[in-house]
Amino acid sequence: DIQMTQSPSSLSASVGDRVTITCRASQGINYFLAWYQQKPGKAPNLLIYAASTLESGVPSRFSGSGSGTDFTLTISSLQPEDVATYYCQKYNSAPHTFGGGTRVEIK
Amino acid sequence: QAQLQESGPGLVKPSGTLSLTCAVSGDSISSSNWWSWVRLPPGKGLEWIGEIYHSGSTNYNPSLKSRVTTSVDKSKNQFSLKLTSVTAADTAVYYCARRPGYGSSPIESWGQGTLVTVSS
Repeated sequence: DIQMTQSPSSLSASVGDRVTITCRASQGINYFLAWYQQKPGKAPNLLIYAASTLESGVPSRFSGSGSGTDFTLTISSLQPEDVATYYCQKYNSAPHTFGGGTRVEIK
Repeated sequence: QAQLQESGPGLVKPSGTLSLTCAVSGDSISSSNWWSWVRLPPGKGLEWIGEIYHSGSTNYNPSLKSRVTTSVDKSKNQFSLKLTSVTAADTAVYYCARRPGYGSSPIESWGQGTLVTVSS
């Protein structure tokens, strides 16, 4: 089965900073990758699908890139409301494995 | 927009069976969607459990496959999860979710989640 590895596992950045999270698949998954944001006590929320397509209603400061095995989620200007844990997930075929998550905090 | 709501016991004894139901509103359980289960253990990351289509087709996480069963109840517009031989490691918030069945699509709708604790 394909493994999904996220890095870093946590980060602390200042408001306004550019933040980058990476996700690596152990085998190629084309562009079938999604990014979710999860705040404490809430269900995950879809941010990006097809590696780079922004879900409706998601702020444009979020962007995604990559294909094959290496993917990136970027927050262009970190805001206080972006404090959350972010997960990547492959969905090309089952099992639809999640990455381990990246916890984002404000410095 | 579909609404999903999990229900079931919040406490399960070790070696017992965890049983949860997800009621679906705003969509038909017989529509072209995969009905999914995901869990979040305390202090850990999201874990995909499995999914079922209204036809009965299923996909499961290989690490849980021997203990997991999912089913669909079309008369009640709901789907269910059973996890047998539970241990403390199965303590988690369990989410039900919907993944569109056209092409390859990500999960787009989630229930609010329900905490299940495995303890004697």
